[in-house]
Amino acid sequence: DTGVSQDPRHKITKRGQNVTFRCDPISEHNRLYWYRQTLGQGPEFLTYFQNEAQLEKSRLLSDRFSAERPKGSFSTLEIQRTEQGDSAMYLCASSSPGQGSRIADTQYFGPGTRLTVL
Amino acid sequence: AQKITQTQPGMFVQEKEAVTLDCTYDTSDQSYGLFWYKQPSSGEMIFLIYQGSYDEQNATEGRYSLNFQKARKSANLVISASQLGDSAMYFCAMREVWMDSSYKLIFGSGTRLLVRP
Repeated sequence: DTGVSQDPRHKITKRGQNVTFRCDPISEHNRLYWYRQTLGQGPEFLTYFQNEAQLEKSRLLSDRFSAERPKGSFSTLEIQRTEQGDSAMYLCASSSPGQGSRIADTQYFGPGTRLTVL
Repeated sequence: AQKITQTQPGMFVQEKEAVTLDCTYDTSDQSYGLFWYKQPSSGEMIFLIYQGSYDEQNATEGRYSLNFQKARKSANLVISASQLGDSAMYFCAMREVWMDSSYKLIFGSGTRLLVRP
């Protein structure tokens, strides 16, 4: 399978603990995105990488959140001092420049990591 | 500001019938892309169909078609010949392209579709 993969699929942690999620994009995709989805809502953008450069961050990404993509391949999203409000599905997506059109650039999503903070 | 509105929280459709899921959007830009994704209970977002703002014809992908009405700022998804496996959440999303470095998608709140046998 050459799709986007995420690890772990589920994470249960206690409030105040740190957690780290990993995303492996489709191999030829140079763009990588993180989104957060709470119950009953659509995904909300968190941050975006082009190769190893983090080019955009949402105001949703507080100081407790940090994302890296050190070699332009896989990415990690770390949440420090987790809070109950961090409980959500964390989705990763990847894309490559659209063929013949910048508008296309379709994002393909991984299965997500469901975080539960007790 | 960009906004996507999906006014149908839930929809029912009989197996083998067609169904339309509504999506309206708000943007001040002329260049944008509209996407539909399917999210089964497993959680993965599955790309279905794409429509560019400059595309003159409505997009089609197998049983999925997009009824794009630019003047009304609507991009409704039509699923023909519904199947039981179509039961899922469906999200409409938009990406503006006027900012060279901005590729984020803005999602609506989704419509839950249930296909009845």
